[in-house]
Amino acid sequence: AQTVTQSQPEMSVQEAETVTLSCTYDTSENNYYLFWYKQPPSRQMILVIRQEAYKQQNATENRFSVNFQKAAKSFSLKISDSQLGDTAMYFCAFMKHGGTYKYIFGTGTRLKVLA
Amino acid sequence: EAQVTQNPRYLITVTGKKLTVTCSQNMNHEYMSWYRQDPGLGLRQIYYSMNVEVTDKGDVPEGYKVSRKEKRNFPLILESPSPNQTSLYFCASSLNRGGGYTFGSGTRLTVV
Repeated sequence: AQTVTQSQPEMSVQEAETVTLSCTYDTSENNYYLFWYKQPPSRQMILVIRQEAYKQQNATENRFSVNFQKAAKSFSLKISDSQLGDTAMYFCAFMKHGGTYKYIFGTGTRLKVLA
Repeated sequence: EAQVTQNPRYLITVTGKKLTVTCSQNMNHEYMSWYRQDPGLGLRQIYYSMNVEVTDKGDVPEGYKVSRKEKRNFPLILESPSPNQTSLYFCASSLNRGGGYTFGSGTRLTVV
């Protein structure tokens, strides 16, 4: 069975600084998808970034980028130029490419951006 | 506006009283799922659907039912709610497997 681990329950960063959130996963699959979702205090869940395992290139969305290390089963999220609006829970998630549509989420990292 | 509409946002009910949480999406998405979110546990998948009349269990299906009679709707039914089903519930939909979810705004359910 697949598992997703976020080992940092809470983090903080100064406004305008860079922060990296870690995520590791365990799977025997070769093809899969990885995601980062953001949940601000409003509780709305928002897709931040996605990565397809068969693509070597790390995904980037504006100030958000990932460091995808397939062999190490690591999928960290880097937030550059942190803004107060980045304060949120961040969840890493995994899904197989085929078969069942089971989606596995990590337990989340609470990020606080300090003014 | 493309969205997933989930109702109600808040619900307090008593043990054993059947309830339904509605979920509707207007994006013609194939895939829909229900999750519950509990502190320290992240989001756990209850049920999912890959198309009309196609549903399957997630990781925590006990005590829940779903149906997918139309593509846009995916209601979650609690036939006999119990206090351990007190949680924050999310409905989500996706156009395809790897595209990522669009989430509803959540339902805070309290069972007393």
